[in-house]
Amino acid sequence: GEDVEQSLFLSVREGDSSVINCTYTDSSSTYLYWYKQEPGAGLQLLTYIFSNMDMKQDQRLTVLLNKKDKHLSLRIADTQTGDSAIYFCAESSNYQLIWGAGTKLIIKP
Amino acid sequence: DVKVTQSSRYLVKRTGEKVFLECVQDMDHENMFWYRQDPGLGLRLIYFSYDVKMKEKGDIPEGYSVSREKKERFSLILESASTNQTSMYLCASRISGNNEQFFGPGTRLTVL
Repeated sequence: GEDVEQSLFLSVREGDSSVINCTYTDSSSTYLYWYKQEPGAGLQLLTYIFSNMDMKQDQRLTVLLNKKDKHLSLRIADTQTGDSAIYFCAESSNYQLIWGAGTKLIIKP
Repeated sequence: DVKVTQSSRYLVKRTGEKVFLECVQDMDHENMFWYRQDPGLGLRLIYFSYDVKMKEKGDIPEGYSVSREKKERFSLILESASTNQTSMYLCASRISGNNEQFFGPGTRLTVL
């Protein structure tokens, strides 16, 4: 069945760029999503990309999609302490979302 | 703004108790979801509902049931709570045909 994989942890220094990677299996996914979960809170949609796009930029966030390799990445420029959260990658499949396990972003001072 | 609320942020229950988790959304969304979130496993779908009185099993429905009597409310029921149901429970809703889901803040359930 469909599967979404991502690393469980990423540690970066404050001010550096963070790159969170995700691989998925369903080549028919029309949208791919990044959700953010801050400590003690529910998930919030951070950004998404349509499957016919290669890149999407929104302020400090850049999403890159390599459809051939089924690889999605989220780059956060100038990482701040407020970016500390769990980031979930999700692919759409038959109007459901298939979720990755989440990557915990740890910011070092 | 879409608002999804869950009845409790933290809940402690004993093994064998019947547990109700309530979720309410205020944007007239047709679809609603219950997930559980466990470290390293991400979100796993328990049940979802396409509309009032409709329900579908997700990936891990065993030990759970749901109720959707009104459009805005989706309840998750643990008929006889067990320790392996200790988890974070997340409710979400969305407009039918749209992929974006809106989440509640979660209920952290501990079963002793």
